[in-house]
Amino acid sequence: DAGITQSPRYKITETGRQVTLMCHQTWSHSYMFWYRQDLGHGLRLIYYSAAADITDKGEVPDGYVVSRSKTENFPLTLESATRSQTSVYFCASRKNSAHNEQFFGPGTRLTVL
Amino acid sequence: TQLLEQSPQFLSIQEGENLTVYCNSSSVFSSLQWYRQEPGEGPVLLVTVVTGGEVKKLKRLTFQFGDARKDSSLHITAAQPGDTGLYLCAGANQNNDMRFGAGTRLTVKP
Repeated sequence: DAGITQSPRYKITETGRQVTLMCHQTWSHSYMFWYRQDLGHGLRLIYYSAAADITDKGEVPDGYVVSRSKTENFPLTLESATRSQTSVYFCASRKNSAHNEQFFGPGTRLTVL
Repeated sequence: TQLLEQSPQFLSIQEGENLTVYCNSSSVFSSLQWYRQEPGEGPVLLVTVVTGGEVKKLKRLTFQFGDARKDSSLHITAAQPGDTGLYLCAGANQNNDMRFGAGTRLTVKP
């Protein structure tokens, strides 16, 4: 299917476990982003990638790892999950310029117990 | 500290009323976008404004970018229940960095 997809849509895990959230886009957009959304904070940028093999930290990168070996995929890994990482995570992609629309995935609701 | 301050945080109105929500910053942006997000979904772009003083209309929605490119407003005329959602503004600087505000949660009651 065309578009941007995220998996899983819901995940419950325990403190200390490793969790990977997947993001896949079919438009060959150069930029991809990971955000977390929490009440009162809106969308906060975790990491972004301008192209395959290029990643950069956003506002709140601590505790997260990303990779971008292929243009279409941008997985986000929580190496040792903490309760404070309970959130809704959104992946997005866009073409080069920041004036362009960001297309968001449907989100992953992660609960860390 | 939020780079972009949105107000009000919550707004509940009756169908048919008009409303304005605001997005303010001390920073200058090269462009500003407005998104709407419905429960359980990702945000969807409504408009991008680029020029200071620019006004864009999308049916009953009117978007304005401040002359100094530090603020923006969204005005909805004759709100409908379908307008209910979280309205997010996002500003991009010259380095292509984009930041989102915390949003205004709008509820339009029938």
